[in-house]
Amino acid sequence: DSGVTQTPKHLITATGQRVTLRCSPRSGDLSVYWYQQSLDQGLQFLIQYYNGEERAKGNILERFSAQQFPDLHSELNLSSLELGDSALYFCASSADPQGDEQFFGPGTRLTVL
Amino acid sequence: QKEVEQDPGPLSVPEGAIVSLNCTYSNSAFQYFMWYRQYSRKGPELLMYTYSSGNKEDGRFTAQVDKSSKYISLFIRDSQPSDSATYLCAMKGVTGGGNKLTFGTGTQLKVEL
Repeated sequence: DSGVTQTPKHLITATGQRVTLRCSPRSGDLSVYWYQQSLDQGLQFLIQYYNGEERAKGNILERFSAQQFPDLHSELNLSSLELGDSALYFCASSADPQGDEQFFGPGTRLTVL
Repeated sequence: QKEVEQDPGPLSVPEGAIVSLNCTYSNSAFQYFMWYRQYSRKGPELLMYTYSSGNKEDGRFTAQVDKSSKYISLFIRDSQPSDSATYLCAMKGVTGGGNKLTFGTGTQLKVEL
């Protein structure tokens, strides 16, 4: 158990809908990262927050947004969902902003029908 | 061409064998190298983290980095059925947008009794 928690474990929704994924980092970690894992693209970095502020951005679509709250938990919002958004979404956390050692949560499996 | 190339396998070996997993990369900015293990339907688990060229050993695992050849390896000695998983290499740069991890596609390993 990495200490990173994610909810929900599974999410099934329809195209065009909006969902929110939640992540709580390990105790004491200030950085949160979001990744998308699909069969064809592998594990892709989406975005990083450090102590409430956006720190780095990857291949995140404009339909997706994230934030980190004062208690350090983070939410990833996915809107106008498409079939291709079906994937595993992982959250990771690290103690430092450089992210040399990142610890991953169990993931949220999103299915868009 | 992808920045990180990894043979997807599957790789099947008998119990007790020495396993060699490899990644090549093209981006000279990568300075930090990690190996993650991912069991089916679970989040990636950090196995090894290294910065320098050369070898780093941890129990049955040895990580090897050759920056001049842009080549990294993970060796597993005395492999066990519990080592059956997908192994992902990951790497990152030093500064700026280098906080993000760039992953290989993963090698699926099966250790058979």
